[in-house]
Amino acid sequence: DTGVSQDPRHKITKRGQNVTFRCDPISEHNRLYWYRQTLGQGPEFLTYFQNEAQLEKSRLLSDRFSAERPKGSFSTLEIQRTEQGDSAMYLCASPSTPGNTIYFGEGSWLTVV
Amino acid sequence: AQTVTQSQPEMSVQEAETVTLSCTYDTSESNYYLFWYKQPPSRQMILVIRQEAYKQQNATENRFSVNFQKAAKSFSLKISDSQLGDTAMYFCAFLDSNYQLIWGAGTKLIIKP
Repeated sequence: DTGVSQDPRHKITKRGQNVTFRCDPISEHNRLYWYRQTLGQGPEFLTYFQNEAQLEKSRLLSDRFSAERPKGSFSTLEIQRTEQGDSAMYLCASPSTPGNTIYFGEGSWLTVV
Repeated sequence: AQTVTQSQPEMSVQEAETVTLSCTYDTSESNYYLFWYKQPPSRQMILVIRQEAYKQQNATENRFSVNFQKAAKSFSLKISDSQLGDTAMYFCAFLDSNYQLIWGAGTKLIIKP
């Protein structure tokens, strides 16, 4: 257990539906990352928060994707009008400050049918 | 652009043997962090070892150690007395000054009984 929790662990949804994933980072960590990973590939960066501020977004994050981190605590990643290409594992990471020891959650699997 | 290269797509060794996974990176920065992550079939991304670039001493964690050669931009992972549970994908990653994790393509390690 890394102390980073993600929910739900698995989600199957029909194409066109909206889905939301939640990440609870380690409480004293003020930075939070979201990544996407497909089978056989390394993680792809999606977005990065420092406290409640979203500091960077990947060009991979289309208009259908939105992420929030209200009050600098937990974060949500929403995908609207899901497409089959969104099927992947969505990973949340919580780096320590100082020291930059980066812990990952167990991931949220998304299958779009 | 900063890059991380893992030149071994797949390796296999017998249980109890020692194995070394290679990683090279390219950066103009002088202070950064390097990581090795293990991703078993469960897909949980597990931190194996972390190295701070300004520290010359190689990091060790039990059976895992690194050979960090800053001038050569090399960061190899040595696993001693390999165990069946070490079977996994291993990713090398570099954290840059913008707090971005740059990932290698991964090495699939198989430990044979």
